[in-house]
Amino acid sequence: AQSVTQLDSHVSVSEGTPVLLRCNYSSSYSPSLFWYVQHPNKGLQLLLKYTSAATLVKGINGFEAEFKKSETSFHLTKPSAHMSDAAEYFCVVSPIDTGRRALTFGSGTRLQVQP
Amino acid sequence: GAVVSQHPSWVICKSGTSVKIECRSLDFQATTMFWYRQFPKQSLMLMATSNEGSKATYEQGVEKDKFLINHASLTLSTLTVTSAHPEDSSFYICSGTSSTDTQYFGPGTRLTVL
Repeated sequence: AQSVTQLDSHVSVSEGTPVLLRCNYSSSYSPSLFWYVQHPNKGLQLLLKYTSAATLVKGINGFEAEFKKSETSFHLTKPSAHMSDAAEYFCVVSPIDTGRRALTFGSGTRLQVQP
Repeated sequence: GAVVSQHPSWVICKSGTSVKIECRSLDFQATTMFWYRQFPKQSLMLMATSNEGSKATYEQGVEKDKFLINHASLTLSTLTVTSAHPEDSSFYICSGTSSTDTQYFGPGTRLTVL
């Protein structure tokens, strides 16, 4: 069984300040972990994924996430928020590195960026 | 990256009618496609897994006779909501798996049942 918990349903930051979106996971297997972003009325876009290689994963648009097995966490960070980062972010877990398994989504974190 | 399209992007129908939603992988072949459902301000919930040429596997609580899934080719899967009711109003999202084992998501279809 696997699950993912996004600790904050809503995060608000000022433009130019750091972003931290928290995610904890539970998995019976070595997990693959993903972060997806969903802008209003748009499809899901993959930001980054962890598949048992480097624990620090760099993604698109300046985002990165660090896999910490001891803490079962996969928090998403960005040094400096941009207005265009405002969106819904989903932490996602899959039991193994195969797209043939369905993904388990967290509840989502809405990121608001203040000017 | 690979592209998945959905048609229609939004649909409004009367209660009791059926609605078909198409999911196409435009530039890759998807042996596996997934259908998700997303209620407002909520996360995506898996409805079913669709493998080309075989019957779909439905998640617990999803009525297979109500949500008919067909995956007749490597680039097309369809979801038909039969005898739709207002509680079926939702955002339906499909995804397809590429040869690199990456899932690509469609833009979603917003269904409103009156």
